[in-house]
Amino acid sequence: AQSVTQLDSQVPVFEEAPVELRCNYSSSVSVYLFWYVQYPNQGLQLLLKYLSGSTLVKSINGFEAEFNKSQTSFHLRKPSVHISDTAEYFCAVSGGTSYDKVIFGPGTSLSVIP
Amino acid sequence: EAGVTQFPSHSVIEKGQTVTLRCDPISGHDNLYWYRRVMGKEIKFLLHFVKESKQDESGMPNNRFLAERTGGTYSTLKVQPAELEDSGVYFCASSQDRRNYGYTFGSGTRLTVV
Repeated sequence: AQSVTQLDSQVPVFEEAPVELRCNYSSSVSVYLFWYVQYPNQGLQLLLKYLSGSTLVKSINGFEAEFNKSQTSFHLRKPSVHISDTAEYFCAVSGGTSYDKVIFGPGTSLSVIP
Repeated sequence: EAGVTQFPSHSVIEKGQTVTLRCDPISGHDNLYWYRRVMGKEIKFLLHFVKESKQDESGMPNNRFLAERTGGTYSTLKVQPAELEDSGVYFCASSQDRRNYGYTFGSGTRLTVV
């Protein structure tokens, strides 16, 4: 069975400071890894994903995540956060087909302080 | 292309009443998924349709929940009778690919049972 752990339920950070949101997963098979974001009063949006290839993946708004197979981690980072990054971030894992459920972590609430 | 559409966006009902949530996936997407997030907890899988067939309904909590997908297009999720613990946000997602490259989620329906 697959599972996802996000140890930090809430992360406050000052504007323009760097941030790291931690994600660890467990799985007995090869996985696809995702970060989803939910902005206030909005739905879930796919932020970035690791399917294969380069272990460092990036989003269009400056976030990046690195797949580390030996540590079973997929931490999300941004070197300088903006107020608009305030949201809830969900790490998720899935097998490789549409028949494999996406399993979500409990979420990390990122609050950017002016 | 239009995204995944869910309605209503909010619903407040009394315990014991019936509520029907609707999801319109992206046109042509064979795979449709329902998830829910009960307050403060993880986003949990409910079920997966492939066209009009239920591929996996292992996450449906009990027989008060009934999901249908008419003609492989839109889907409905009926809760009858609703209980207080059913309150939460219900998300729908769709995908076309046989490989799981990440879902497109709707904005969710916030259900409050009072």
